[in-house]
Amino acid sequence: DTGVSQNPRHKITKRGQNVTFRCDPISEHNRLYWYRQTLGQGPEFLTYFQNEAQLEKSRLLSDRFSAERPKGSFSTLEIQRTEQGDSAMYLCASSLPAGGNEQYFGPGTRLTVT
Amino acid sequence: KNQVEQSPQSLIILEGKNCTLQCNYTVSPFSNLRWYKQDTGRGPVSLTIMTFSENTKSNGRYTATLDADTKQSSLHITASQLSDSASYICVVSAKNAGNMLTFGGGTRLMVKP
Repeated sequence: DTGVSQNPRHKITKRGQNVTFRCDPISEHNRLYWYRQTLGQGPEFLTYFQNEAQLEKSRLLSDRFSAERPKGSFSTLEIQRTEQGDSAMYLCASSLPAGGNEQYFGPGTRLTVT
Repeated sequence: KNQVEQSPQSLIILEGKNCTLQCNYTVSPFSNLRWYKQDTGRGPVSLTIMTFSENTKSNGRYTATLDADTKQSSLHITASQLSDSASYICVVSAKNAGNMLTFGGGTRLMVKP
């Protein structure tokens, strides 16, 4: 399968714990995006990378959220000190860098904070 | 503020019937508009992408229209099938926005036999 993959697909954690999600983009895609989607809503942009550079992070929801893409390939999204309000689907997408190019989405990681 | 509004929020139709979903946007300067289909628990999958100069684009039983003057788009589904049951999300991209997308809230379609 050469699409975008995300792991884990589901994560249940207790409030206050840290969680980390991984995204592996399509191999030739330079850009990688993270979104959050709550039930019944469209995805909400969080941050994106071009290669290893994080070009936009002002929309990360709080300083508890951070993302990395150290070698310009896979990326991780970490949430520290999770809260119940963090429960959502976290989607990753990748694309080629030219403006207007298609973003291909992964299956998402569903986080439940108890 | 860039916004994308979709209507209706949800829709139930019988198998074989047609339906039309609406999208209004305020994203500027406009680059392109996409319609995505999202099955429950899965990531969105692109159906169509339209630029400023395109009025209509079809993908099988899906036909999207775009009126850039009124900033409206529609997605028409012909001869619906049970597998069309999903959320349909309108997504608009602004120029010079780093390929960042503004998503609508989606229309949840249920096709019943």
